[in-house]
Amino acid sequence: AQSVTQLGSHVSVSEGALVLLRCNYSSSVPPYLFWYVQYPNQGLQLLLKYTTGATLVKGINGFEAEFKKSETSFHLTKPSAHMSDAAEYFCALDMDTGFQKLVFGTGTRLLVSP
Amino acid sequence: EAQVTQNPRYLITVTGKKLTVTCSQNMNHEYMSWYRQDPGLGLRQIYYSMNVEVTDKGDVPEGYKVSRKEKRNFPLILESPSPNQTSLYFCASSLSSGLAGSYNEQFFGPGTRLTVL
Repeated sequence: AQSVTQLGSHVSVSEGALVLLRCNYSSSVPPYLFWYVQYPNQGLQLLLKYTTGATLVKGINGFEAEFKKSETSFHLTKPSAHMSDAAEYFCALDMDTGFQKLVFGTGTRLLVSP
Repeated sequence: EAQVTQNPRYLITVTGKKLTVTCSQNMNHEYMSWYRQDPGLGLRQIYYSMNVEVTDKGDVPEGYKVSRKEKRNFPLILESPSPNQTSLYFCASSLSSGLAGSYNEQFFGPGTRLTVL
């Protein structure tokens, strides 16, 4: 069965530091991969997605992620954290069955200190 | 403004009292879905709908019902709520379920926080 593992329920960084949120997946077929962000008391917003093509994908707010098939990973990075990046981040996959069934990781809360 | 709306945003109820959480989208989307979010478990799909009058179970459908009589609305019904249904619920929609190789982004509502006492 497909699954998504996010390492670290909480990640703390200082403002201006590199952000690295880890995501590994398990899937019997090449999946589509996504990162969503959830700000307090809000719904989920799509940050970026990988479907096909270039393995390095750029998203909104300066975030990017690289699909590494050999490592079954899709880690999210941002070179320089901003206070406004503090939120919960979810990695998700879809096995492209046509049913748009998203399988989510358990989430990582990013804390940014001044 | 294109959006997915949910009502109510917050609800406290008691065990066994039937309730409905409404979801509406104004984007003419075919596909709609309900998720619940629980600490340490992420989001899990409850039910989804590919189009009007077409619904199917997700991963955690027990204790829930849905209907899709109109394209824009996809209410979630709890006939007899229990405390283990205390959760944060999200509705989502997308243009279509998508053919292989063509993916349509899911747009999420703001969430409904439900507490069942």
